[in-house]
Amino acid sequence: EAGVAQSPRYKIIEKRQSVAFWCNPISGHATLYWYQQILGQGPKLLIQFQNNGVVDDSQLPKDRFSAERLKGVDSTLKIQPAKLEDSAVYLCASSLGLVQGEQYFGPGTRLTVT
Amino acid sequence: EDKVVQSPLSLVVHEGDTVTLNCSYEVTNFRSLLWYKQEKKAPTFLFMLTSSGIEKKSGRLSSILDKKELFSILNITATQTGDSAIYLCAVEAYNQFYFGTGTSLTVIP
Repeated sequence: EAGVAQSPRYKIIEKRQSVAFWCNPISGHATLYWYQQILGQGPKLLIQFQNNGVVDDSQLPKDRFSAERLKGVDSTLKIQPAKLEDSAVYLCASSLGLVQGEQYFGPGTRLTVT
Repeated sequence: EDKVVQSPLSLVVHEGDTVTLNCSYEVTNFRSLLWYKQEKKAPTFLFMLTSSGIEKKSGRLSSILDKKELFSILNITATQTGDSAIYLCAVEAYNQFYFGTGTSLTVIP
């Protein structure tokens, strides 16, 4: 079974630039999550999708972050404009949705904002 | 404010030792508690606990939840160097996941 795919793996941008991350969940997984993990901290959930609908985005900084999951499969997370404090690893995870605890994580995208 | 606190923050042991990692939480609408192992990549799932007092086991790892005292422990017996990682505790609430900062475990040969 193929795992969760993410790209790019690494990205370096200057502050005020824009960046987008892509995630392809495990086939058949209805639920998709985006997390932000700052160095030395646990992952923080940014947004959760069930199919193509947003279940929760209460911790997403909506003034600069946006995410979508068109057709209920792939998802993109965008930051515009980026700030220095956005430097982190952005993890995508998916689950079947029936047993939400068993999330499968992708390899992450390491973002550095200079 | 919902929070998950893990202790200790870091731990160094010798191979063969037994370790106990702690996770306490204050989260409304608790649904489950999860343990993950994170090496130099994304977290991998270890256990999900929903009921108090029922131990989950997988090889040398085991975990138990106390919903009255709001904590969980993760035990690793006969530790090996391959157990070196950050162990993350997460609590699932209604449509939210709250992660602790993790316990960094280093196992010395």
